[in-house]
Amino acid sequence: AQTVTQSQPEMSVQEAETVTLSCTYDTSESDYYLFWYKQPPSRQMILVIRQEAYKQQNATENRFSVNFQKAAKSFSLKISDSQLGDAAMYFCAYKNYNAGGTSYGKLTFGQGTILTVHP
Amino acid sequence: DAGVIQSPRHEVTEMGQEVTLRCKPISGHDYLFWYRQTMMRGLELLIYFNNNVPIDDSGMPEDRFSAKMPNASFSTLKIQPSEPRDSAVYFCASSPPVGQGPTDTQYFGPGTRLTVL
Repeated sequence: AQTVTQSQPEMSVQEAETVTLSCTYDTSESDYYLFWYKQPPSRQMILVIRQEAYKQQNATENRFSVNFQKAAKSFSLKISDSQLGDAAMYFCAYKNYNAGGTSYGKLTFGQGTILTVHP
Repeated sequence: DAGVIQSPRHEVTEMGQEVTLRCKPISGHDYLFWYRQTMMRGLELLIYFNNNVPIDDSGMPEDRFSAKMPNASFSTLKIQPSEPRDSAVYFCASSPPVGQGPTDTQYFGPGTRLTVL
C-alpha cells in the first residue's frame, strides 16, 4: 500500500518570504500522480498543484512550485512571496495512474502541515 | 462553472438519529468520492462511484453507513443510526472522465461538519 508522510506538523514564514513544505511517499508503482491541496480555516480543500510522475519537469502554478525527486520519492512544495492568504493546512497526496475504465486508485493523503504566515 | 456542492454545511443531531448528507458533483464528472476527515485519522476515502456505480466501498466503516448515487448529478451518504464517533467533516469530491480535463484530479466540495451528540 502507498503511504504519504509529511514530517513537518507546523511551519511558519514571514510575509513575502519563501517557505518549503516537505513530503515523502512510498510506492512500488512507476506511474502515478502527486498533489498538494490547501485547506484554509473554511475547510474547503483547494487543489494547489499537480505533478505527473512521468514528467521530469517540476510543476509550477504562479507562486507555487514543486521539487519532484522521483528516485528519492520526495515531493516538496515551495511557496514564494508568501501572503497572509496562504495560511492554511497543506496536504500532500498520492494517486496511482488511472488505467481507465472502472479501475481507479484512491487518493492517499499525508497528515498535513499547518502553515502560519506572519505579517 | 459551479464546483462540487454539498448540503447541509453543518449538521447537529442526537445519537441514534438518521443523518443524510448530499452531494452534487461538477457537471460532466463521472467519478464521485466520499471522504471523512477527523483529527485522529486524517482524510479517509469511504466510497467512490464511477458512472453512478459504486466501485470501492472498502472504506465504509460499518453497516450503519450507506451511499447511493441515483443519477449523475446527485449522491447521498446516510448514517443510520448515528453515533458520537461519527462526528467529523465529510467531503464529497468529483473527477472528470479519463481523457477529459486534468486526469485523476479530484475537486472537493466545501464539506459537511457533522456533530453527533
